Amino acid sequence: DTGVSQDPRHKITKRGQNVTFRCDPISEHNRLYWYRQTLGQGPEFLTYFQNEAQLEKSRLLSDRFSAERPKGSFSTLEIQRTEQGDSAMYLCASSLGRLAGPKDETDTQYFGPGTRLTVL
Amino acid sequence: GDSVTQMEGPVTLSEEAFLTINCTYTATGYPSLFWYVQYPGEGLQLLLKATKADDKGSNKGFEATYRKETTSFHLEKGSVQVSDSAVYFCALSRRAGSYQLTFGKGTKLSVIP
Repeated sequence: DTGVSQDPRHKITKRGQNVTFRCDPISEHNRLYWYRQTLGQGPEFLTYFQNEAQLEKSRLLSDRFSAERPKGSFSTLEIQRTEQGDSAMYLCASSLGRLAGPKDETDTQYFGPGTRLTVL
Repeated sequence: GDSVTQMEGPVTLSEEAFLTINCTYTATGYPSLFWYVQYPGEGLQLLLKATKADDKGSNKGFEATYRKETTSFHLEKGSVQVSDSAVYFCALSRRAGSYQLTFGKGTKLSVIP
């Protein structure tokens, strides 16, 4: 079990550019989440996938943001026409979403290291 | 909507001191409760969880008990170490729909030798 991985770890871009982040969840985890964390705050939910279906999106996810999870494996989060207010840590998490033997893993999420975005 | 309130930080303790970080929540139904820890430069790590009233989650000497009557999930450790210095986040998951996590703002703990 290699854990949740994210790429890149850091991204610096100029305002107006597009950026794309990748998340590889723990294998066999069917649920995948994106969160955004700004300095001094807790993470805030952005969107959620069950397998390849995007089932919920937060009001924080403006139309400049799009996320995909083709084939229900890795996921990408794209931000178009970046703004300085998009600067944040973008966190990905995955969960098994069901019982796993004696452990109830229905709602236990495991996080990746995050991608820190800086928009100049 | 759901919300989590944590005690304001930063908290500075001497090594071997007793730690309490208060956490209260507002949610409908019976959420699961979590503590996550974030070490400098790293992502969030699950520290412990509890899924029903009076459950006690524990890990690495940390404990928290799910108190439904006071809607609280306070984190405690009897003797902190320098290596416990990190930011601690309390979170809840409403056990329905997306099971998304709602986090508190975090409490930064610094332990000095």
